[in-house]
Amino acid sequence: QVQLQESGPGLVKPSETLSLTCTVSDYSISSGYYWGWIRQPPGKGLEWIGSIYRSGTTFYKPSLKSRVTISVDTSKNHFSLTLSSVTAADTAVYYCARDQDSGTSYRPKGFDYWGQGTLVTVSS
Amino acid sequence: QSALTQPPSASGSPGQPVTISCTGTSSDVGGYNYVSWYQHHPGKVPKLMIYEVSKRPSGVPDRFSGSKSGNTASLTVSGLQAEDEADYYCSSYAGNNNLVFGGGTKLTVL
Repeated sequence: QVQLQESGPGLVKPSETLSLTCTVSDYSISSGYYWGWIRQPPGKGLEWIGSIYRSGTTFYKPSLKSRVTISVDTSKNHFSLTLSSVTAADTAVYYCARDQDSGTSYRPKGFDYWGQGTLVTVSS
Repeated sequence: QSALTQPPSASGSPGQPVTISCTGTSSDVGGYNYVSWYQHHPGKVPKLMIYEVSKRPSGVPDRFSGSKSGNTASLTVSGLQAEDEADYYCSSYAGNNNLVFGGGTKLTVL
């Protein structure tokens, strides 16, 4: 059973950078699949932030692209999210998840394993 | 890229069928067969219910089914059960390595 666990600060100041890590257990990231970050602001719906392949190839939501970086460390079997210049609008529960797509061309086939989610609040 | 359009709410009585729609454009839902549906109970982790329009992951009850016509995808729950009460989200590949979600539908079992 693949397990994912998000970690990182729960409080970030406005204009600073949000950083989260997703540690994967019982599956090697280097074996394949795409790995993604999704968030849910309080009282709102799910929003895809971006995804990364084992090779390090990344795909980002266009409106967030200028502020987002997703990276992977296969030696530690984790992938990370950084979001710069945060505002209160970035307050959300952040989830990491595995996409069933295992091909070399990104064709999302659904996130089948999810982390528990971590609440990140942007506030001074 | 705009979010996909879902009705804010849907409801049905136990045992009855209910369908939730997810409307996009020819650039996302209508252009690709990569529509997924998620069930999300508040405070819990989203669960994949349908992928590639109509495929069901192992363990998902067969009363959940997905379909697509033109730019609109649909999730049908036949034989509603109390535990089906949750928020449901659709998502679709939108080309250019982009993924979009719907705004979500709150399903109430009357």
